[in-house]
Amino acid sequence: DAGVIQSPRHEVTEMGQEVTLRCKPISGHNSLFWYRQTMMRGLELLIYFNNNVPIDDSGMPEDRFSAKMPNASFSTLKIQPSEPRDSAVYFCASSTGGLFNYGYTFGSGTRLTVV
Amino acid sequence: DAKTTQPNSMESNEEEPVHLPCNHSTISGTDYIHWYRQLPSQGPEYVIHGLTSNVNNRMASLAIAEDRKSSTLILHRATLRDAAVYYCILRDGDFGNEKLTFGTGTRLTIIP
Repeated sequence: DAGVIQSPRHEVTEMGQEVTLRCKPISGHNSLFWYRQTMMRGLELLIYFNNNVPIDDSGMPEDRFSAKMPNASFSTLKIQPSEPRDSAVYFCASSTGGLFNYGYTFGSGTRLTVV
Repeated sequence: DAKTTQPNSMESNEEEPVHLPCNHSTISGTDYIHWYRQLPSQGPEYVIHGLTSNVNNRMASLAIAEDRKSSTLILHRATLRDAAVYYCILRDGDFGNEKLTFGTGTRLTIIP
């Protein structure tokens, strides 16, 4: 199993540009989570999906952020327009969820720098 | 969400056991206790979880107090590769509410 795959690993963009982060969850996992990590705020949950449906997006900082999961094997997190304060490491995670409560598997993250 | 309290940092000597404490006095009956760790420059990694009984796996052991208001993650023989931030998290067992909320964790330093 290749694990959770995120792309790109690193992204440097200019303020005002659109940024799209991508995630491929583990096959068979029905829950997907997007987190953001900064030194100041630690790990923050942005949004999560169950069976491709967004369940809780209360962590999305503002309207500039949007996330989609068009099918069970792909999700995107988009920032438009990007700002320097969006610079962080963005992690995607997946799990089987539900009654068995297995652990999450995290991807390696995307380090975003907005200049 | 029920909260957890962990020490900010701990040190341990290499090849010795490490006991990482976590307090969760407001835990509810459906909350699972999860532990994750984050090695430098990596994403968090699942370590272990439990509900009421003590649990063992190849990475660690989880000892849960009888009243479930505290738990301890036990690394039986620490190595330098165990240096990481360890997070103790409560996760609601109800379907549709599986989100994990990370706190600040305990930064574990292993002394050679």
